[in-house]
Amino acid sequence: AQSVSQHNHHVILSEAASLELGCNYSYGGTVNLFWYVQYPGQHLQLLLKYFSGDPLVKGIKGFEAEFIKSKFSFNLRKPSVQWSDTAEYFCAVNEGLSGSARQLTFGSGTQLTVLP
Amino acid sequence: DSGVTQTPKHLITATGQRVTLRCSPRSGDLSVYWYQQSLDQGLQFLIQYYNGEERAKGNILERFSAQQFPDLHSELNLSSLELGDSALYFCASSQRQGESTNYGYTFGSGTRLTVV
Repeated sequence: AQSVSQHNHHVILSEAASLELGCNYSYGGTVNLFWYVQYPGQHLQLLLKYFSGDPLVKGIKGFEAEFIKSKFSFNLRKPSVQWSDTAEYFCAVNEGLSGSARQLTFGSGTQLTVLP
Repeated sequence: DSGVTQTPKHLITATGQRVTLRCSPRSGDLSVYWYQQSLDQGLQFLIQYYNGEERAKGNILERFSAQQFPDLHSELNLSSLELGDSALYFCASSQRQGESTNYGYTFGSGTRLTVV
């Protein structure tokens, strides 16, 4: 069974600092990769997704992620964080050519706290 | 509002009781997924229904069951509740008919279940 690892459980940054959150997955075949953000009391919102093509994916709110197949990684980056980015971030994966037709496997999440 | 509606938002019940959680998917979406989010287990996939039929099963206990109705809404039934069942239960939907599976998933805001 596939698994997803997010090594940073809690990251604390000051505003304008750069962000990189790590995500590694275990599945060796074709994968679809996602980053979601969860603000307190709200639903998971999609930041970006990778299905195929350019491994550098740009998402909403200035976030981007790079798929590195050889490293089984899909790290999330943002050059300059804002206080409003304080939230929990989840990396997720599903396998195959299924797009959104199969369930997601989630990482354990990273709580990001941005200090004003 | 994401388009996925979950009711109730909060539920407090006693051990040994049975509860039903309801999910109305985004209009036209054929797939419904249930996830459990707890502090110790993270986000765990429970079960997927597609157009009324069970499609995939994850870490769902035998005390839990689900179904999807002809109008595509889904219910998750949790019985013989234990303290450890306290969690946030999310529903997600995908696969609107005629839409690419690359569209992604839409998540509801969840039902917070507290077992006392």
